[in-house]
Amino acid sequence: SSELTQDPAVSVALGQTVRITCQGDSLRSYYANWYHQKPGQAPILVIYGKDKRPSGIPDRFSGSSSGNTASLTITGAQAEDEADYYCNSRDSSGKGVFGGGTKLTVL
Amino acid sequence: EVQLVEFGGGLVQPGGSLRLSCAASGFTFSSYLMHWVRQAPGKGLVWVSRINSDASSTTYADSVKGRFTISRDNAKNTVHLQMNSLRAEDTAVYYCARGYYYGSGSNYYFDYWGQGTLVTVSS
Repeated sequence: SSELTQDPAVSVALGQTVRITCQGDSLRSYYANWYHQKPGQAPILVIYGKDKRPSGIPDRFSGSSSGNTASLTITGAQAEDEADYYCNSRDSSGKGVFGGGTKLTVL
Repeated sequence: EVQLVEFGGGLVQPGGSLRLSCAASGFTFSSYLMHWVRQAPGKGLVWVSRINSDASSTTYADSVKGRFTISRDNAKNTVHLQMNSLRAEDTAVYYCARGYYYGSGSNYYFDYWGQGTLVTVSS
């Protein structure tokens, strides 16, 4: 299966650490990428290639992966991190695959 | 500065057609694969289609295969999505995104996105 599964919603207290996970068989073969999206805006890449950050993304964002599970960790969550987070990879035919998204609430 | 600007969205009746376009600037367009991703209102991101750099290869999600056609004009730095036989479930914001391939091309991510164009299929 090429599906990616995410928890629908996660919350974190301001300044604390939160982990958002993504599960799928394709992650055993291909790297996960992560995007955040705020209402009315286009997605923004925050992690690619499992654990790399694009320029301009704060170092409180990190990625990891093991087996069929990829994780996005935010260490010291800020109010501006409240957003929807999507994992993404590909299937064996090259088609893109997205997780269903996780709504992160910063309390 | 890399920019992707989509246009062509609007209201269309079920069974109708619409052609979306995405104008690219700020990079060597002919060197990159381009993708379309859509997002229904209040829902998540769904990959739709991709086209390789010289337009010799295209791929589609099962949900649009046979109805949508992706194309590109490297001379005009533009990628298109021709959408036919539209259904209510095609209602979404459509984003074009640049695909960045690495690791011998086995992995890719979307490093730049347009602002999206809304397609509404309704009678």
